[in-house]
Amino acid sequence: LAKTTQPISMDSYEGQEVNITCSHNNIATNDYITWYQQFPSQGPRFIIQGYKTKVTNEVASLFIPADRKSSTLSLPRVSLSDTAVYYCLVVFSGSARQLTFGSGTQLTVLP
Amino acid sequence: EPEVTQTPSHQVTQMGQEVILRCVPISNHLYFYWYRQILGQKVEFLVSFYNNEISEKSEIFDDQFSVERPDGSNFTLKIRSTKLEDSAMYFCASSEGQRDYGYTFGSGTRLTVV
Repeated sequence: LAKTTQPISMDSYEGQEVNITCSHNNIATNDYITWYQQFPSQGPRFIIQGYKTKVTNEVASLFIPADRKSSTLSLPRVSLSDTAVYYCLVVFSGSARQLTFGSGTQLTVLP
Repeated sequence: EPEVTQTPSHQVTQMGQEVILRCVPISNHLYFYWYRQILGQKVEFLVSFYNNEISEKSEIFDDQFSVERPDGSNFTLKIRSTKLEDSAMYFCASSEGQRDYGYTFGSGTRLTVV
């Protein structure tokens, strides 16, 4: 399993764009990159996933460079309700395998 | 939006007692999972379940744990003889299949062993 490294915490202000970068140097050819969000006392919530280049949905964008050794989750115009822990995961595509969560990034959005 | 439903939201049990945590996965999902999160720690994988059998399990999922899909809609986790260290949030999750990595998690059951 590819190990991921992401900042422990980040602060931002309402209305700003937030970029959380994750490194996964030993990602394998068949691995996807997936991001989850978790609020206190709730289960993780899927945000976005990608394999390469850029993926965008109604919640976030995911940027993956050509070497795929890192990825950046971009949250546009954050609000106070975006305060949560954000997890970067590398998922093997071969089967519905277990998700390995790290410590994540605690994002705190300030007024 | 479809949800994974877990009951109860909070359960308190005495050490040594059996507990059953219940989950109703999303109806068209084929893969089911249990994860747990001890307070302040990481979310940890316990077990995955597909086609009425366990696909994978972690070292945490020892003989004290079992899973079952008794009636085609519910998915249960049983802990036979609870220990203090089993106190945690237990999350059920489901996914459509191998090519879908957007797992849907439930809101969890907070298990407190006293």
